[in-house]
Amino acid sequence: EPEVTQTPSHQVTQMGQEVILRCVPISNHLYFYWYRQILGQKVEFLVSFYNNEISEKSEIFDDQFSVERPDGSNFTLKIRSTKLEDSAMYFCASRRRNNEQFFGPGTRLTVL
Amino acid sequence: DAKTTQPTSMDCAEGRAANLPCNHSTISGNEYVYWYRQIHSQGPQYIIHGLKNNETNEMASLIITEDRKSSTLILPHATLRDTAVYYCIVRVDLGGRGGKLIFGQGTELSVKP
Repeated sequence: EPEVTQTPSHQVTQMGQEVILRCVPISNHLYFYWYRQILGQKVEFLVSFYNNEISEKSEIFDDQFSVERPDGSNFTLKIRSTKLEDSAMYFCASRRRNNEQFFGPGTRLTVL
Repeated sequence: DAKTTQPTSMDCAEGRAANLPCNHSTISGNEYVYWYRQIHSQGPQYIIHGLKNNETNEMASLIITEDRKSSTLILPHATLRDTAVYYCIVRVDLGGRGGKLIFGQGTELSVKP
């Protein structure tokens, strides 16, 4: 069964550094999402992406964040200058039109 | 999207049915009820969704009241692997752009031997 994959599973970085989190959505899916979950808190929506542009973004998704689908298969989330409060699990998700969202296993980001 | 209310936690004996309630009294006519679960910090997993009719799949059944103000997710024979946080989410099924999911705190279901 096809699945969403994410790399790396765990990323440790220093405050102020740039990180790129990578996702490979299911191949025939059209809509892509990033969510995050700070330890012990709710899963929070960050951004949705369709037809090579952002469809919607939350207040969390400020100028430090960007998304890209560079090659038709990967979907990336970049954080330009990480802060301590960016430490969280980051989940990628994808869906076809009218179908449920499929989530990846997540990347645990630790900012020191 | 309509707000949902779920109990914070529930216990269930292994092999018994787990019935997880959700209130969504402000649901509007074009909003669907979705259920997802999250097993210990893994990515959320879709379970089932419905509009007004009861639905069943290989994982669970979804019972929606006639007035659509509440619903119940039923896991017919709970196993230890069903221990997870279960989220009830109400949203418009756009079929197009958007489609973000708004997660609440969910119900922490503990299945005990």
